[in-house]
Amino acid sequence: AQKITQTQPGMFVQEKEAVTLDCTYDTSDPSYGLFWYKQPSSGEMIFLIYQGSYDQQNATEGRYSLNFQKARKSANLVISASQLGDSAMYFCAMRETRPAGNNRKLIWGLGTSLAVNP
Amino acid sequence: NAGVTQTPKFRVLKTGQSMTLLCAQDMNHEYMYWYRQDPGMGLRLIHYSVGEGTTAKGEVPDGYNVSRLKKQNFLLGLESAAPSQTSVYFCASTKAGTSRAGELFFGEGSRLTVL
Repeated sequence: AQKITQTQPGMFVQEKEAVTLDCTYDTSDPSYGLFWYKQPSSGEMIFLIYQGSYDQQNATEGRYSLNFQKARKSANLVISASQLGDSAMYFCAMRETRPAGNNRKLIWGLGTSLAVNP
Repeated sequence: NAGVTQTPKFRVLKTGQSMTLLCAQDMNHEYMYWYRQDPGMGLRLIHYSVGEGTTAKGEVPDGYNVSRLKKQNFLLGLESAAPSQTSVYFCASTKAGTSRAGELFFGEGSRLTVL
């Protein structure tokens, strides 16, 4: 079974509008971290935002915020005021802490391709 | 601000040839990783290292070997390249012992084609 599921292979959004990219995860570990990365067409992977399972508030980094719903096991990325430069692949990832050694690796989703239309 | 540097950026090999990809990081990170990325497959972990002199297998280790003789360098070797190893390879590193240890710093990628 997939531990990280990104159900939207592709998304479109108008420039200046907000967009939500979905990510659901599956873990029985009470302590875990969730990450979002961006991969533009140039290919580099860029870290965007992090949410810890015990964090009380949703993470925010500039125009990026993470809508963390722990009971639903979802960690959706919200991009506000989309810009043309936001067009990219977006990957959700999780780091578990159990069993021992899992905290050294990330589990990755397959990504969502976002296109921002002018 | 070099960060994570991969060499070479591009390489074309013939089936059966060998090669080594070099990853170097200047952030004193303990953990280093090699991933491959194929269309529709996301990132798949090949091997990783949690410190100098230690390596471990990831999801898709077959056909690859690695070494971490120095903390700053992580080498990925293909002993006998196969067309199935045509891919984009990414090296990444992160600092150990923090809750944000999944905040990976990536190299620019190495595009390998095996004919």
